[in-house]
Amino acid sequence: GQQLNQSPQSMFIQEGEDVSMNCTSSSIFNTWLWYKQDPGEGPVLLIALYKAGELTSNGRLTAQFGITRKDSFLNISASIPSDVGIYFCAGPPYNTDKLIFGTGTRLQVFP
Amino acid sequence: DAGITQSPRHKVTETGTPVTLRCHQTENHRYMYWYRQDPGHGLRLIHYSYGVKDTDKGEVSDGYSVSRSKTEDFLLTLESATSSQTSVYFCAISGATTYEQYFGPGTRLTVT
Repeated sequence: GQQLNQSPQSMFIQEGEDVSMNCTSSSIFNTWLWYKQDPGEGPVLLIALYKAGELTSNGRLTAQFGITRKDSFLNISASIPSDVGIYFCAGPPYNTDKLIFGTGTRLQVFP
Repeated sequence: DAGITQSPRHKVTETGTPVTLRCHQTENHRYMYWYRQDPGHGLRLIHYSYGVKDTDKGEVSDGYSVSRSKTEDFLLTLESATSSQTSVYFCAISGATTYEQYFGPGTRLTVT
């Protein structure tokens, strides 16, 4: 079935560094969503993107909807320890209304 | 935070027994979803509901059934639990914008 590929699978960074991760699909998406999941909890919606080329920020997080509509990017600036978690991209493939999720990018932040 | 609760939060059961997980929302949202999360697979849709008594299958629906008799409650039933159904189960809800889904805290189910 349809898959979303996230890279990198994991990241180990020092506090204060900027982080970049991406999500790619083999088909076109009309919407991209980014979620964060803390251990033992449900995913929390961070950012939703609805338009190709759109750039949206939520505090230190910035996400972009790729112009090909087959990818999206999430950047975190000046990382802090509470950024630790797993980041998932998600979206509905073209002509469907159900989300599919990437397998996640695990972020570790060291002081 | 969206008002979503799941019960139980943890359950251990034996192979072959029926299990029902409950999702309760206080947001009056139309759409409700059940996902399972497994290492290496991310979140996969089991069943979803677009209104009271209106449900449909997702990607991994075999061995599961659902019911929604009230807007606020969505039940997931494992008719006869198997070890392959050991997983973390998440409920999600969405309103007018169906793509923005909000998740509950999850139920960790272990089938021995």
